Amino acid sequence: DTEVTQTPKHLVMGMTNKKSLKCEQHMGHRAMYWYKQKAKKPPELMFVYSYEKLSINESVPSRFSPECPNSSLLNLHLHALQPEDSALYLCASSLGDTNEKLFFGSGTQLSVL
Amino acid sequence: DQQVKQNSPSLSVQEGRISILNCDYTNSMFDYFLWYKKYPAEGPTFLISISSIKDKNEDGRFTVFLNKSAKHLSLHIVPSQPGDSAVYFCAAPDKAAGNKLTFGGGTRVLVKP
Repeated sequence: DTEVTQTPKHLVMGMTNKKSLKCEQHMGHRAMYWYKQKAKKPPELMFVYSYEKLSINESVPSRFSPECPNSSLLNLHLHALQPEDSALYLCASSLGDTNEKLFFGSGTQLSVL
Repeated sequence: DQQVKQNSPSLSVQEGRISILNCDYTNSMFDYFLWYKKYPAEGPTFLISISSIKDKNEDGRFTVFLNKSAKHLSLHIVPSQPGDSAVYFCAAPDKAAGNKLTFGGGTRVLVKP
């Protein structure tokens, strides 16, 4: 299994909603990542979990809350988002935290109304 | 300050011909580089990488060349196929930033049949 699985694929939410994005990998990778990608832009790093501990938070607003329940799962809890948060949210994993080769999921296309 | 740059936002090439994608970097501490390919509404997929101890790495139709003195790398796709139409990102781990993967802005390749 060389996949990173993200659910849902698409999500539409209002600014007062609370929702969660989920990510799962069974490759035994010990680092997991959340990226945000806007159209025609490169992916932007949001969070890194290394060995289930948050190691990097790229000054992301608190309306985004990551969670790593175990080494295979990564969640991103969303609350009170703004329309400008609409983007493709990508989860990735790597074998260790050297970040040399990331495996990406197919992403969640999020629209905030 | 953009440490990895792809100066050509788009490239159009005829099927069967060579596609050459360029990438420049400014950080002389970068010692490993990756190319990712991305289709719309999907996550990036790893394509090929190169370590700074090499100046060339080949994998099937894909070859990456590294010129350390010029801080320049290029990806050659020969022969180009319509399925190669995608956005290609050059990336490098920044060891000074916890191995955060720094992406270039991407080059959109269109291979015409």
